[in-house]
Amino acid sequence: QKEVEQNSGPLSVPEGAIASLNCTYSDRGSQSFFWYRQYSGKSPELIMSIYSNGDKEDGRFTAQLNKASQYVSLLIRDSQPSDSATYLCAVNTPYSGGGADGLTFGKGTHLIIQP
Amino acid sequence: ETGVTQTPRHLVMGMTNKKSLKCEQHLGHNAMYWYKQSAKKPLELMFVYNFKEQTENNSVPSRFSPECPNSSHLFLHLHTLQPEDSALYLCASSQDPGGAGIAKNIQYFGAGTRLSVL
Repeated sequence: QKEVEQNSGPLSVPEGAIASLNCTYSDRGSQSFFWYRQYSGKSPELIMSIYSNGDKEDGRFTAQLNKASQYVSLLIRDSQPSDSATYLCAVNTPYSGGGADGLTFGKGTHLIIQP
Repeated sequence: ETGVTQTPRHLVMGMTNKKSLKCEQHLGHNAMYWYKQSAKKPLELMFVYNFKEQTENNSVPSRFSPECPNSSHLFLHLHTLQPEDSALYLCASSQDPGGAGIAKNIQYFGAGTRLSVL
């Protein structure tokens, strides 16, 4: 059974500070890792993807992957009120030999940026 | 706009009705997915289609019937649903690299259909 765990929050962070979101996954065969942002009533929007151990930076966002610890994180620097949303961690564990496998999602972390 | 369009955006149906959800992707992808998002639960994968062939059925009840006539269109046919089937139904698409190397499998979601079963 593939599982992805996230702290549901809410996580409250002052504007301008760094928000740190964490995720653990159960299947060591997992190869692709994603962070999606979902505003209330909207669909998930891809923020970051990461495939190898280490850090990946894109603007104010940094994704971190540690496959030995089965741990993925997302850092948001200079947090803005518009970053307030639910952040979903998703993991792709291919079994079919091809690339089209469904993603396993965590429940999401509700992030609130306080002005 | 992600390039994945879902219709209708909202749907209310009785337990004896038959309705269909439609998804169309304009991204040139060859894989499409149906997910269900219920309150307090994580996004749940329902079906995967790769090159129009169903490759995964995540133990979904038969009252949900998918159809993929080509790689750009995906339908979810609904019949005799239960109130607990009320949820946000999301369609996604991705480009399957064909098994070469690590599967990137970046999925793009449509806006979803908010379904209420009375």
